[in-house]
Amino acid sequence: KAGVTQTPRYLIKTRGQQVTLSCSPISGHRSVSWYQQTPGQGLQFLFEYFSETQRNKGNFPGRFSGRQFSNSRSEMNVSTLELGDSALYLCASSLGESGETQYFGPGTRLLVL
Amino acid sequence: GQNIDQPTEMTATEGAIVQINCTYQTSGFNGLFWYQQHAGEAPTFLSYNVLDGLEEKGRFSSFLSRSKGYSYLLLKELQMKDSASYLCAVSPPGGSYIPTFGRGTSLIVHP
Repeated sequence: KAGVTQTPRYLIKTRGQQVTLSCSPISGHRSVSWYQQTPGQGLQFLFEYFSETQRNKGNFPGRFSGRQFSNSRSEMNVSTLELGDSALYLCASSLGESGETQYFGPGTRLLVL
Repeated sequence: GQNIDQPTEMTATEGAIVQINCTYQTSGFNGLFWYQQHAGEAPTFLSYNVLDGLEEKGRFSSFLSRSKGYSYLLLKELQMKDSASYLCAVSPPGGSYIPTFGRGTSLIVHP
């Protein structure tokens, strides 16, 4: 089975721009979660999508949004980028039940200048 | 809410044994995950403990005490490639399906 894939792997943007990141989960997985990872804050949960619906949401501003398509692929969008948005963005897929293991993609490293 | 504590950094010698502790205080608990993350890479699953006790998987073992809110990851016969960050994550009971991650313990293995 193919693992979780994320595109692009690296991205450089400037303040005020917007960015869209993509995640393809493991085949058969219906849950996709997004995390932001920075050295200072660790792994912070952004949101989770299950069957095209946002099921859980972390404490991030509305500039961070996402969606999930019928094939379970998910996109995350960040508008009006700020310097502090520079981070590794990870997506993780799972079957979507409590206690199920999450499998992470390689991440997208975003640098905002 | 969830509060998860683990040491920031540990060092150990190649061939030795190291124990990485994780304590948690949570409003609900289903189980505890351990993940390994090499620098610049994605976290990879190591173990998931639901019941009290020790589970062994090759050189890695994970222990859980639900009553004490405590877990540890034991790494034996350390190798240089074990240098990585180790994340513990608490899985809440049904409803919220999202584990809460600790900040991770950076393990440095030296010759």
